[in-house]
Amino acid sequence: EAQVTQNPRYLITVTGKKLTVTCSQNMNHEYMSWYRQDPGLGLRQIYYSMNVEVTDKGDVPEGYKVSRKEKRNFPLILESPSPNQTSLYFCASSSHSAQGAYEQYFGPGTRLTVT
Amino acid sequence: AQKITQTQPGMFVQEKEAVTLDCTYDTSDPSYGLFWYKQPSSGEMIFLIYQGSYDQQNATEGRYSLNFQKARKSANLVISASQLGDSAMYFCAMRGTNFGNEKLTFGTGTRLTIIP
Repeated sequence: EAQVTQNPRYLITVTGKKLTVTCSQNMNHEYMSWYRQDPGLGLRQIYYSMNVEVTDKGDVPEGYKVSRKEKRNFPLILESPSPNQTSLYFCASSSHSAQGAYEQYFGPGTRLTVT
Repeated sequence: AQKITQTQPGMFVQEKEAVTLDCTYDTSDPSYGLFWYKQPSSGEMIFLIYQGSYDQQNATEGRYSLNFQKARKSANLVISASQLGDSAMYFCAMRGTNFGNEKLTFGTGTRLTIIP
């Protein structure tokens, strides 16, 4: 079954304690991306990756890091989480498209609370 | 820059009625794609329908159709014969032609509640 998996699904942590949210896809997609969802703001892109070892900032990258060492995995790292990073996080993947025709597959989401 | 506007924060609709969720967009890209996603209370993002900017016909997927009016820059989602399971948050999104970043720009969403 084609899918994007994220772990953990729920996480409560304290300010400053480093954490990693994992993301994995089994569709051999080149493109992967992280979004955060906040009430009233929709989803906003944090980072994206066009392929292995190729990553770039999205609209709200501050306080986050990513890496793409393997095609299937795209972890999101919070080196020193702060309460304003409390949010619902989504990982997504897709094939590259010439005209935008390809659906982005979303993971189930990770609900993060930073106290 | 791209922008998606959803002006209906919430809607209440009687079961079995049709419902239209509004979406307007703004972009300078000559070619783009428009998407609708459904987010139930469980939180996952479910892809519903896609419309390409050069597609001649409006997209349809089962009970979902996209009313695409390019000159007015609108891409409204129409759900026919609504069901209780349609109660969810609905997001309109757009992707431009920046090859490389497949970023979706999302609207703020419309919360649809179907009344029995």
